[in-house]
This record gives sequence, C-alpha cells and structure tokens, in this order.
Amino acid sequence: AQSVTQLGSHVSVSEGALVLLRCNYSSSVPPYLFWYVQYPNQGLQLLLKYTSAATLVKGINGFEAEFKKSETSFHLTKPSAHMSDAAEYFCAVSDGTGTASKLTFGTGTRLQVTL
Amino acid sequence: GAVVSQHPSWVICKSGTSVKIECRSLDFQATTMFWYRQFPKQSLMLMATSNEGSKATYEQGVEKDKFLINHASLTLSTLTVTSAHPEDSSFYICSAPWPGTAYGYTFGSGTRLTVV
Repeated sequence: AQSVTQLGSHVSVSEGALVLLRCNYSSSVPPYLFWYVQYPNQGLQLLLKYTSAATLVKGINGFEAEFKKSETSFHLTKPSAHMSDAAEYFCAVSDGTGTASKLTFGTGTRLQVTL
Repeated sequence: GAVVSQHPSWVICKSGTSVKIECRSLDFQATTMFWYRQFPKQSLMLMATSNEGSKATYEQGVEKDKFLINHASLTLSTLTVTSAHPEDSSFYICSAPWPGTAYGYTFGSGTRLTVV
C-alpha cells in the first residue's frame, strides 16, 4: 500500500518569494510520484512526475521537485512565486502496477500568493 | 492531445432523481477511466475504476448500486448517481491513463453536483 502526506494544508508566500510545498510518501514498491495543480472548480493539471529516472524533476510553470529516497520526500519548489500560482496542489503516488495503476492523493496544500 | 471532456460542469438536481455525468476521451481511446469524488477543501478519493466492456471495480465503501458506472465504448465512460440525496453533493472528476506515456493521467474538468 502507498500513501502520501502533505505537510501544511495552507501555505502563504509573497510574490517573488520561494515556494516550498512538502510531500512525504510511503510505498512498499519503488514509487512513482506526481504533483498536480487544481484551480477552483477545475480538474487537475500535471505539474511534474518522477518515474525512477532523474531525481530532480523539472515541470511546467517553473516548478521542480526532488526525489529523496533517504527522506521519503518529494517536495515541490519554485524559486519565485507568481500571483497566478495561487491554487490547490496535490502530491500523489502510483502503485506502479502499470499504465492503469491507481493514484493515491495527499490531502492537498492551498497556496496563497500575496503582494 | 489526450483530452478528457467531462459534462456537465455543474448540475443541480432534486433529491430522489438521477444524474448522469459523462467523460469522453476526445483524441485517444480510453480503455480505463478512474472516477474520483472530492469534498470541499479535501483530496480526491477514488470511487471506482471502469474498463471498457467490463464491469467497473469499486473501492471499498462505495455503493455500486448508487453510483452506476458504464464504459460501453473506448471513448465514453459515464457515472450515474441514482436516487441522489444531499449528501451526494460533491465534485466528481474522471481521469484516464495518458496514452503512450508511462504513468501519466489526464483529468476531466470536473462536475459540481448539488442535490437539493
């Protein structure tokens, strides 16, 4: 079984500041990890994913995440926040059983960006 | 590419009626569709997995007679909430594995269901 824990249900940063959203995972098999962003009343958009290749993964909109096996972490970062980054962010882990494997989502972190 | 179109985006219905939500894969064939439910300010909970031409697999605790899932073709999966009650009010999202990409998923835009 796999699970993800997102520390901090709400994060507030100033525009231009570093964004750090935390995600720790638990998995009995090598994990496949994802970060998704959700804007109000919309579906999810993939930011980036880790599938056992490079441990530092670069995604869209300037986001990146680093897979750290020793810390069972996959934190999401962005050097400089923009107002348009305000949204809900979900970390997810796949059970890795194939292309139709299930995703387990964390509880989400709402990012607020202030002027 | 790999777009899942979900309709309606929002619906209000009376208690006791049924509501159908459709998810169509527009430019690829979706042999599998995942259906999620999301309560306000909460995460997505997987309800069921549908596979084209076979019965859906429901997660533990999900009433299969209340949430009817049909995946009759490679481009259409539907979720019907039968005899809806206010506690069924939620945001429902479908998702399909992204074709040709390992462990990628594309999501519909979601349906906001309000039962009054």
